[in-house]
Amino acid sequence: DSGVTQTPKHLITATGQRVTLRCSPRSGDLSVYWYQQSLDQGLQFLIHYYNGEERAKGNILERFSAQQFPDLHSELNLSSLELGDSALYFCASQGGYQETQYFGPGTRLLVL
Amino acid sequence: AQTVTQSQPEMSVQEAETVTLSCTYDTSENNYYLFWYKQPPSRQMILVIRQEAYKQQNATENRFSVNFQKAAKSFSLKISDSQLGDTAMYFCAFHDYTSGTYKYIFGTGTRLKVLA
Repeated sequence: DSGVTQTPKHLITATGQRVTLRCSPRSGDLSVYWYQQSLDQGLQFLIHYYNGEERAKGNILERFSAQQFPDLHSELNLSSLELGDSALYFCASQGGYQETQYFGPGTRLLVL
Repeated sequence: AQTVTQSQPEMSVQEAETVTLSCTYDTSENNYYLFWYKQPPSRQMILVIRQEAYKQQNATENRFSVNFQKAAKSFSLKISDSQLGDTAMYFCAFHDYTSGTYKYIFGTGTRLKVLA
């Protein structure tokens, strides 16, 4: 158990819909990263937050947005969903900038 | 731009044998971290081993060890006494903590199958 929690574990929805994925980092970790992993693909970095502030953006679509709240949990919002958005979405947390990144169990999103 | 390359998409090894997974990276930074993560069929991402670039000594964790060649920008993972539970996708990752974005860059992965 990495100490990072993600909810929900599974999500099935229809095209055009909007969903919110939630991540709670390990106790004390200030950084949250979001990644997308399509079937049999590598990890695509989406976005990084540090103590509530956005620090870096990767290949994140305009239909996707994220935020980190004062209690340090983070939410990834996916809107106008398309079939191609079906993937495993991971969040990972990190303490100090020299520390290791630990992954949550992921949220499996299926868009029908 | 920083990149991570894993040139072996798939590998297999007999149980109890040793296997080495390759990883090369490109960076102009001097201080960084390198990682190997394992992703078994459950798709959970599990940290295997970590190497600090400023350390010359190669990291070791039980049956897992790395061969870190900083000048060659090479970071290979050796798995000794392979076990069936080692069957997984292995990702090499580079962590830049000097640019201010604390970016992690992952390779495309090597799928390892341990044969009984």
